[in-house]
Amino acid sequence: QKEVEQDPGPLSVPEGAIVSLNCTYSNSAFQYFMWYRQYSRKGPELLMYTYSSGNKEDGRFTAQVDKSSKYISLFIRDSQPSDSATYLCAAGPPRGSNYKLTFGKGTLLTVNP
Amino acid sequence: DAGVTQSPTHLIKTRGQHVTLRCSPISGHKSVSWYQQVLGQGPQFIFQYYEKEERGRGNFPDRFSARQFPNYSSELNVNALLLGDSALYLCASSLVSGDTEAFFGQGTRLTVV
Repeated sequence: QKEVEQDPGPLSVPEGAIVSLNCTYSNSAFQYFMWYRQYSRKGPELLMYTYSSGNKEDGRFTAQVDKSSKYISLFIRDSQPSDSATYLCAAGPPRGSNYKLTFGKGTLLTVNP
Repeated sequence: DAGVTQSPTHLIKTRGQHVTLRCSPISGHKSVSWYQQVLGQGPQFIFQYYEKEERGRGNFPDRFSARQFPNYSSELNVNALLLGDSALYLCASSLVSGDTEAFFGQGTRLTVV
């Protein structure tokens, strides 16, 4: 079992739709959870991160973490064609440990005008 | 401000050859991590360096090595290249070791033929 599981999609939605992207993880030691956006042939771009359980909102993006169910979500409101990209969830251990990010496979999202 | 810069952007090598990839972190950042991203997969952790010392190593063979220089730039070396080493190699820069905000470069796309 991979430590971070993510449905690779692809996911295709019309412009303006609410998008829900999800990951699950198995390692209880993970404390930090990130979402990255990766356009084709580019490096990943950090969208947002959360610590432990809870919600974090940034404009049209909301990240949620539920540690009890080991579930990570990213919601995109009023989706735009420019949001079309691969979205990667990632998890990290407590700071100070052998710090590395463990990524999911990524979900390919297409927002159609 | 310049982001994380990686060179070269593309590279084609023959099986058995050696390759050196380079990374310059964001100014002021002292930690550099290397990731391998195979097509259709999420990035996989290879190494982390902080203050010129190796702080973490992923599950990669000894053919992979890295180092960090006094100016915090870094090199990733891969010996005896295999076809399976073909991937996008990503460098991530962060302020300190274990910093949750890791910023990626555009990557070096290595093709082994």
